[in-house]
Amino acid sequence: GESVGLHLPTLSVQEGDNSIINCAYSNSASDYFIWYKQESGKGPQFIIDIRSNMDKRQGQRVTVLLNKTVKHLSLQIAATQPGDSAVYFCAERETDKLIFGTGTRLQVFP
Amino acid sequence: DSGVTQTPKHLITATGQRVTLRCSPRSGDLSVYWYQQSLDQGLQFLIQYYNGEERAKGNILERFSAQQFPDLHSELNLSSLELGDSALYFCASSAQGPKLSGAFFGQGTRLTVV
Repeated sequence: GESVGLHLPTLSVQEGDNSIINCAYSNSASDYFIWYKQESGKGPQFIIDIRSNMDKRQGQRVTVLLNKTVKHLSLQIAATQPGDSAVYFCAERETDKLIFGTGTRLQVFP
Repeated sequence: DSGVTQTPKHLITATGQRVTLRCSPRSGDLSVYWYQQSLDQGLQFLIQYYNGEERAKGNILERFSAQQFPDLHSELNLSSLELGDSALYFCASSAQGPKLSGAFFGQGTRLTVV
């Protein structure tokens, strides 16, 4: 269904630690997933994507894991930096719609 | 810079008025999506156009309408504005086709209805 985010869950991590942000998606027929990063007052920024025929994809300092059995997506950020502080959204593609999850706020402290 | 351009960046208008938000997609992208984001909320899908035709519709109010022009830019029209319409409105574009691709977002238009 459509995402309605009233209270953003928050993940607080120490600089240098690894972060894991989780997302549950709704449609088992979704075949494509994207993680976005949104900084305050800015548009969502594409981070990494994954197709449903894969279960893992790596980028620079980021890894996305897909578990279709339980309809779960995760974003791992290695060596988290202050610049990683933002709200992170997962998105699933349902036919022609791109449906966003609730979002998770990542706070990085020194 | 995502390559998606939205204008204006900020808009302040009174209740009952009508406004038009404009989006220029990335070069070569045929799909345009519109989203609404209220304060501390997620991104609500409004509508999608592909090559000039409406492709998918989300929770878009009847007071809102959109279109995509032959040059692929898109406009979102919001009428009979209410205070609750105050939000960030984002446009995103993607290359549609056999290959799945991500959608890239503009910087948004911040609409304030007073």
